[in-house]
Amino acid sequence: DIQMTQSPSTLSASVGDRVTITCRASQSVSNWLAWYQQKPGKAPKLLIYKASNLENGVPSRFSGSGSGTEFTLTISSLQPDDLATYFCQQHTGSSSLTFGGGTKVEIK
Amino acid sequence: EVQLLESGGGLVQPGGSLRLSCTASGFTFSSYAMAWVRQAPGKGLERVSTINVRDGSTYYADSVKGRFTISRDNSKNTLYLQMNSLRVEDTAVYYCAKDREGSVADYFDCWGQGTLVTVSS
Repeated sequence: DIQMTQSPSTLSASVGDRVTITCRASQSVSNWLAWYQQKPGKAPKLLIYKASNLENGVPSRFSGSGSGTEFTLTISSLQPDDLATYFCQQHTGSSSLTFGGGTKVEIK
Repeated sequence: EVQLLESGGGLVQPGGSLRLSCTASGFTFSSYAMAWVRQAPGKGLERVSTINVRDGSTYYADSVKGRFTISRDNSKNTLYLQMNSLRVEDTAVYYCAKDREGSVADYFDCWGQGTLVTVSS
């Protein structure tokens, strides 16, 4: 299985800060990568698909980039509502679909 | 509005069985691949199983292979997960999720609220 490693596991930032989360794959996943946001006690929500495509209704302060084995999720200006855990997910095929371990974003 | 509603979770002893259901509404259920994804308490997400539409193919995590079975009834807009020989480590919230694109499970744009499965003696 392709392993997905996220860093950092936790980050603390202030409202208005630019925040970057990294996801690394153990082998190339091309651009077959998605990002999800999970707020406490809630189901995950799709933010980004195919590495850089913003899902409908997601605020434009979220963006994704990367290809191959290294990807980033950026929040351009952190808002209080962004308190959540963020997961990446690769999908190179139906038999290969794995999630990263998650990055918890805290507001200072 | 697209909605997924899971049911069937609960407390079960090790070695026992449960069947989870996920009732879908607001979209053409038969046209979309579906998945079960679980989250153990305080842990990350794990794809348990997926079922495609194009050829009905199914996939399982190694941790559940041979014990869990995914199925769907398109006439009832319902996805199922039959879980047998349950282990303590199967304890988790189980989410039903809909594929964003269509017939092959890739990434998921709609999730249910989750149903808690607790395996304990």
